Amino acid sequence: EADIYQTPRYLVIGTGKKITLECSQTMGHDKMYWYQQDPGMELHLIHYSYGVNSTEKGDLSSESTVSRIRTEHFPLTLESARPSHTSQYLCASSPVEGVGYTFGSGTRLTVV
Amino acid sequence: AQSVSQHNHHVILSEAASLELGCNYSYGGTVNLFWYVQYPGQHLQLLLKYFSGDPLVKGIKGFEAEFIKSKFSFNLRKPSVQWSDTAEYFCAVNTGGFKTIFGAGTRLFVKA
Repeated sequence: EADIYQTPRYLVIGTGKKITLECSQTMGHDKMYWYQQDPGMELHLIHYSYGVNSTEKGDLSSESTVSRIRTEHFPLTLESARPSHTSQYLCASSPVEGVGYTFGSGTRLTVV
Repeated sequence: AQSVSQHNHHVILSEAASLELGCNYSYGGTVNLFWYVQYPGQHLQLLLKYFSGDPLVKGIKGFEAEFIKSKFSFNLRKPSVQWSDTAEYFCAVNTGGFKTIFGAGTRLFVKA
């Protein structure tokens, strides 16, 4: 079944650690996105990708980086985690822009 | 700045009551409109979408939404809610390309 997968589901990590949040999709979608979601707040776009080797920053300033070496894989990396990075990170994909997303289950990150 | 407003952050209804969740956006151009739902412990999923044509669109599980261009609104409705509709509902507006703006969500609790 075509889907989008995020790992880990939950992560508690110490300040200063480097972490990578994984996102993979099996739908062959060109467009992929990372959103940040906090309780009671809007989802905010932090990164997106048009396709392989093409990434852009979103509206929300983020200290994370992304890469897109393969169509199906769009990992997000924090070089040095801080408590302000505590949030839920959602990965999504779409076949083209503006038609709606398929979301992963999210990674809930806590930095202590 | 472009924004999406969801007027009710929390709604509590009894089973069989009618539901209407408000959504207004601030953008004067052509938009694609979406409602997403997030059931407890599950990922965000698309409930319904509007691109063009009939402004009354029907989605899954008996939900519908009406686009009123003059009011910049896209309200979600369901004639009779069930306990299983307990979830968080997000309105989203695409203003072109990668620009999809989400509302802050409405948490619906349906009492059995």
